[in-house]
Amino acid sequence: KQEVTQIPAALSVPEGENLVLNCSFTDSAIYNLQWFRQDPGKGLTSLLLIQSSQREQTSGRLNASLDKSSGRSTLYIAASQPGDSATYLCAVTTTGTASKLTFGTGTRLQVTL
Amino acid sequence: EAQVTQNPRYLITVTGKKLTVTCSQNMNHEYMSWYRQDPGLGLRQIYYSMNVEVTDKGDVPEGYKVSRKEKRNFPLILESPSPNQTSLYFCASSLSGEGNTEAFFGQGTRLTVV
Repeated sequence: KQEVTQIPAALSVPEGENLVLNCSFTDSAIYNLQWFRQDPGKGLTSLLLIQSSQREQTSGRLNASLDKSSGRSTLYIAASQPGDSATYLCAVTTTGTASKLTFGTGTRLQVTL
Repeated sequence: EAQVTQNPRYLITVTGKKLTVTCSQNMNHEYMSWYRQDPGLGLRQIYYSMNVEVTDKGDVPEGYKVSRKEKRNFPLILESPSPNQTSLYFCASSLSGEGNTEAFFGQGTRLTVV
C-alpha cells in the first residue's frame, strides 16, 4: 500500500530565503507526482505535475524534482515571499490504482516579514 | 474558465438528515472522485468514477453513495449522516482514469454533522 510522507510538518522562514520541502513515497511504481498548495479554508491549487519519466518541472520560482527509484521528491521555492505562506501537499498516482491520488499530510509553511 | 464546482461550500446538518453535495466539472473529464480531509489523516479517497455509470469504492466509502448519470456531474450523497462524517470534502476530476493526467480540485465543502 502506497504511503506518502512529508517532512517537515511545519516550517517558518524569513522573507527572501530559499527553501526545500520534502516528500517521500514507499512504492516507486507511480504514474506521476503532483504538488499542491492549500490556503486555509480554500481548495487545492495544482502547482506542478511531474510524470514518472521526468526528473523535474519548473514554474516561476518553483522547481520540483523527482527521483522515482529512491521514492523522493523535493519542492524548491526560491526567494520566498509572505504570499507563499500556505500548506503544501504532495500526492502520487500509483500504477494499478487508476487516477487515485495518495496524499502526504502536508508541510505548513509560514514566511515572515 | 476550466473548473470544478462544489456546492454548498459550508453545511451544518443534524444526524440522520439526508444530504447531497454536488460536484460539476466543465472540462469533459472522464474521471471524477471524492476525497475527505481530516487533521492528521490527510486526504483519503471516498469514491471514484471512471466514466458515466461506472463508479467504485475508494478507501473510505462507508456511509456514502455516489452516482454518475452525466459526465459533468458527480454528486456525493450521505443517506444518514453521522458526526464522524464531519470533515472537509473535495471533489476532483482528471482527463482519464489512466493515472497519468493532472487532477483538478473543487474549492471544498466543509460539513459539520451535529
